[in-house]
Amino acid sequence: KTQVEQSPQSLVVRQGENCVLQCNYSVTPDNHLRWFKQDTGKGLVSLTVLVHENDKTSNGRYSATLDKDAKHSTLHITATLLDDTATYICVVGDRGSALGRLHFGAGTQLIVIP
Amino acid sequence: DMKVTQMPRYLIKRMGENVLLECGQDMSHETMYWYRQDPGLGLQLIYISYDVDSNSEGDIPKGYRVSRKKREHFSLILDSAKTNQTSVYFCASSFRDRDSGNTLYFGEGSRLIVV
Repeated sequence: KTQVEQSPQSLVVRQGENCVLQCNYSVTPDNHLRWFKQDTGKGLVSLTVLVHENDKTSNGRYSATLDKDAKHSTLHITATLLDDTATYICVVGDRGSALGRLHFGAGTQLIVIP
Repeated sequence: DMKVTQMPRYLIKRMGENVLLECGQDMSHETMYWYRQDPGLGLQLIYISYDVDSNSEGDIPKGYRVSRKKREHFSLILDSAKTNQTSVYFCASSFRDRDSGNTLYFGEGSRLIVV
């Protein structure tokens, strides 16, 4: 059973618009949550990590929130650029060390059009 | 230079042939991983290696084996490839004491087609 669900599955926005990606999970325990960006044909690159209840992070035009009570995270992208076209993957870690397991969502495919 | 390098990037093999996917990292990370990525699914862990000759099965190890004889190098081997092993394979590495602040570094993937 999938323990990390992302929505929407895909999203098309116009350059300059804002967008919000959702991640719901059932992983227990939930030590941390990380968002990755995957360009087409490339590997995953970390955008941000959230650790604590009600954590909020910001990385340039990317910002993220985590609600551990609701087991829910959002990734906000402001003023989208064509280069933001990619798949965004939510990953939940059940421990803080490499001994823990990472649970990957299937990703949200974002397409930014001119 | 913090990089994970995978070779080959693209590979076509016939069913029953052996496949060798290689991965190298230059960060002295103890832990290395092999994942596969299929459409509509999250990445699935095939094998994890905690250091040289210290390998553990992941969630889908059947049909695969691994080799780690040097810390910087981790190989994935398919003995007698099957068509359902057509996928994109990703190698990743991290420090062993990977607290939440230490991320995984991923290679760019090896796309394998088994015909």
